[in-house]
Amino acid sequence: ETGVTQTPRHLVMGMTNKKSLKCEQHLGHNAMYWYKQSAKKPLELMFVYSLEERVENNSVPSRFSPECPNSSHLFLHLHTLQPEDSALYLCASSQDGYNEQFFGPGTRLTVL
Amino acid sequence: AQKVTQAQTEISVVEKEDVTLDCVYETRDTTYYLFWYKQPPSGELVFLIRRNSFDEQNEISGRYSWNFQKSTSSFNFTITASQVVDSAVYFCALSDSGTASKLTFGTGTRLQVTL
Repeated sequence: ETGVTQTPRHLVMGMTNKKSLKCEQHLGHNAMYWYKQSAKKPLELMFVYSLEERVENNSVPSRFSPECPNSSHLFLHLHTLQPEDSALYLCASSQDGYNEQFFGPGTRLTVL
Repeated sequence: AQKVTQAQTEISVVEKEDVTLDCVYETRDTTYYLFWYKQPPSGELVFLIRRNSFDEQNEISGRYSWNFQKSTSSFNFTITASQVVDSAVYFCALSDSGTASKLTFGTGTRLQVTL
């Protein structure tokens, strides 16, 4: 595997389900990010982890819970989501703040 | 607060035409970075270029070129002799110089190249 991978690629869940999105980077980077991309909206930064410490939380509802167990893996735990949370969730990584971010293919989430 | 404006929502061109995608940014930082990303229909954002605020040299990479003008806070992207494979959404982004950069994205410009 190379670059940034995300699983699953597609996810359909009910409002009462609990699921997790997984991201893995094979680039030796120090920072990882979660973004949300909704239709006709700019990409929204959700969380930033640098050296496994959360350094940014952009007022994201608590029904989204990130976890970064090591510098290569990032999870987004989902529970009690709303239909408006349906979106493309993108993971990215970068060497540090001075370098470009590399993105995974995203998870297309649909909340019924 | 940082802001990136991509005023062109959608552009349609015929193959082989040149097209310029506009990007205007706002920041109070003296050190910052500008980026362009391409998002094809598959969804993955593909990095195209990074430019730091101290380097105003224009850059050319094959059919792609970028014009950075600090005086007008613009970082425009030109595709020469466009091809159907260039059809995608293009995002301009701005980041500060923090330990883990916070990218502020524009709303994107959808480019449609037809035969």
